[in-house]
Amino acid sequence: LAKTTQPISMDSYEGQEVNITCSHNNIATNDYITWYQQFPSQGPRFIIQGYKTKVTNEVASLFIPADRKSSTLSLPRVSLSDTAVYYCLARRALTFGSGTRLQVQP
Amino acid sequence: EAQVTQNPRYLITVTGKKLTVTCSQNMNHEYMSWYRQDPGLGLRQIYYSMNVEVTDKGDVPEGYKVSRKEKRNFPLILESPSPNQTSLYFCASSFGGQETQYFGPGTRLLVL
Repeated sequence: LAKTTQPISMDSYEGQEVNITCSHNNIATNDYITWYQQFPSQGPRFIIQGYKTKVTNEVASLFIPADRKSSTLSLPRVSLSDTAVYYCLARRALTFGSGTRLQVQP
Repeated sequence: EAQVTQNPRYLITVTGKKLTVTCSQNMNHEYMSWYRQDPGLGLRQIYYSMNVEVTDKGDVPEGYKVSRKEKRNFPLILESPSPNQTSLYFCASSFGGQETQYFGPGTRLLVL
């Protein structure tokens, strides 16, 4: 299983761009990288998924280098409502790990 | 509306009293799974099911049972609950193991 490692927490201010990097050194050839967002007492919610290079949707961008051993979730111009825990997963979502707790300040 | 539902949402019980938490999805998903979430430990998978009558253990299966008799339902059974099973439980479903998972609202369980 591809184990992922990401920072435990990050702080930011409203309007800033936030980049959360996740390492997945043992990712398999056919594994996708998926990011989820979770608010307190709610189930995780899908944000973005990618396999290589760059993926962008209305919420975020996902950057994956050629070796695919890491990925970076980019949240443009965060707001207070982006305060949440963000999880990075590689391969089947067996274990979410502890995620990155993002705190956005006014 | 496409959704995953769980019942009950909150449950207080006593040690040893069998209980079942139901999970149902209306998206015709083949893959379903159960997670528990504890402070500082993230979400850990308990059991998953790739399709009807196909189930397998996740990371923390001890003390739990599941069944998948119908595609839409995936109940979680605690035959003899213990206090260390006090947790927040989430059910999730997807078309496949690699696909986006849709999560239920969670069931908060307290075992006294």
